[in-house]
Amino acid sequence: SQQGEEDPQALSIQEGENATMNCSYKTSINNLQWYRQNSGRGLVHLILIRSNEREKHSGRLRVTLDTSKKSSSLLITASRAADTASYFCATSNYGQNFVFGPGTRLSVLP
Amino acid sequence: DAGVIQSPRHEVTEMGQEVTLRCKPISGHDYLFWYRQTMMRGLELLIYFNNNVPIDDSGMPEDRFSAKMPNASFSTLKIQPSEPRDSAVYFCASSPEGTGLNQPQHFGDGTRLSIL
Repeated sequence: SQQGEEDPQALSIQEGENATMNCSYKTSINNLQWYRQNSGRGLVHLILIRSNEREKHSGRLRVTLDTSKKSSSLLITASRAADTASYFCATSNYGQNFVFGPGTRLSVLP
Repeated sequence: DAGVIQSPRHEVTEMGQEVTLRCKPISGHDYLFWYRQTMMRGLELLIYFNNNVPIDDSGMPEDRFSAKMPNASFSTLKIQPSEPRDSAVYFCASSPEGTGLNQPQHFGDGTRLSIL
């Protein structure tokens, strides 16, 4: 299976701290995406990183991709209470499959 | 700018009944996806369409599930007959032109389905 696996399953931090979530996958991919889901809502796209890219930034978000280790990380800097949500990675292998991982539940405490 | 619109937001029905979930994608998006989310199985891609044509329905769990996209602005996911194990949150998503699985997807807020 190509499934992405996020790590940790749950993370609790204080406001202002950084949060790092990891995603590992099993087969070759051509891109990896990160999504956020607030409770009771749909997923919101955060960042897409292609297999030939190593790092991307968007505001307080930084995503890295290591294809040799088949892993990606999402870093949220200076976290806020509003960042409390579940975060999912999703992998695509050249249009053949699109699979979401089980997600990381992030709690940012005020 | 309207996002993906799903209806109803909540549905409670008895086992054996037919259930129809509806989705209006973002105007101009060529791809439409149906997902199911449960605690046990996470997010599962059920089926996706490109230009109203079903491309991959390998995620549809059983013949009781069917999906249609009669035009570019409307899709339905039907379960007939429904069973308690179908209880889940069902999401619809759309994405713009390009290789659909390689583009960011825009999700609706889902339909929470409970089968009693």
